[in-house]
Amino acid sequence: ELKVEQNPLFLSMQEGKNYTIYCNYSTTSDRLYWYRQDPGKSLESLFVLLSNGAVKQEGRLMASLDTKARLSTLHITAAVHDLSATYFCAVDNQKLVFGQGTRLTINP
Amino acid sequence: EAGVAQSPRYKIIEKRQSVAFWCNPISGHATLYWYQQILGQGPKLLIQFQNNGVVDDSQLPKDRFSAERLKGVDSTLKIQPAKLEDSAVYLCASSLTGYEQYFGPGTRLTVT
Repeated sequence: ELKVEQNPLFLSMQEGKNYTIYCNYSTTSDRLYWYRQDPGKSLESLFVLLSNGAVKQEGRLMASLDTKARLSTLHITAAVHDLSATYFCAVDNQKLVFGQGTRLTINP
Repeated sequence: EAGVAQSPRYKIIEKRQSVAFWCNPISGHATLYWYQQILGQGPKLLIQFQNNGVVDDSQLPKDRFSAERLKGVDSTLKIQPAKLEDSAVYLCASSLTGYEQYFGPGTRLTVT
């Protein structure tokens, strides 16, 4: 059974700092997704990573995928308050299996 | 382009009552998914439809949950009878290619 683990589960950081969220998964997959969820809202797709070594960037967020290590990272550069949300990774194993989520709080 | 629509947005019922949720996917999306998201957790797939056929319902508690997509467009998810542990947000998603999924706003169910 595929297991997807994120860490940290909670992250409080100051504006302007950099940090990385990690997503580890237990079985082979070539497709991984990152989603953002604001409180009381649905999931918004951020990145789709389709191959080993894939790197995608949008604004202050950058995601990468290492399929050999079964690891994806979501890097936040010079965080701003608007990035406060819960971030989920999801691995495609004929169905999406989600991690527990990382609740990110960015303080002024 | 209109997104995935769900109703109702909120529902409060007592245990042992029944409830139904409705989903209208993005026009033209053949694949439709229902997820359960318990507070503090990631979404868990309950059932996946391709047009009006079931692709995966391995995690659907079939003794109390049922879902249908009769004409390959709208879908309903029903719980009968509800239990306290069914309190969650029920998310509907749809996909054109089977790769990227688009999620609706969800229905927040509280069972008392």
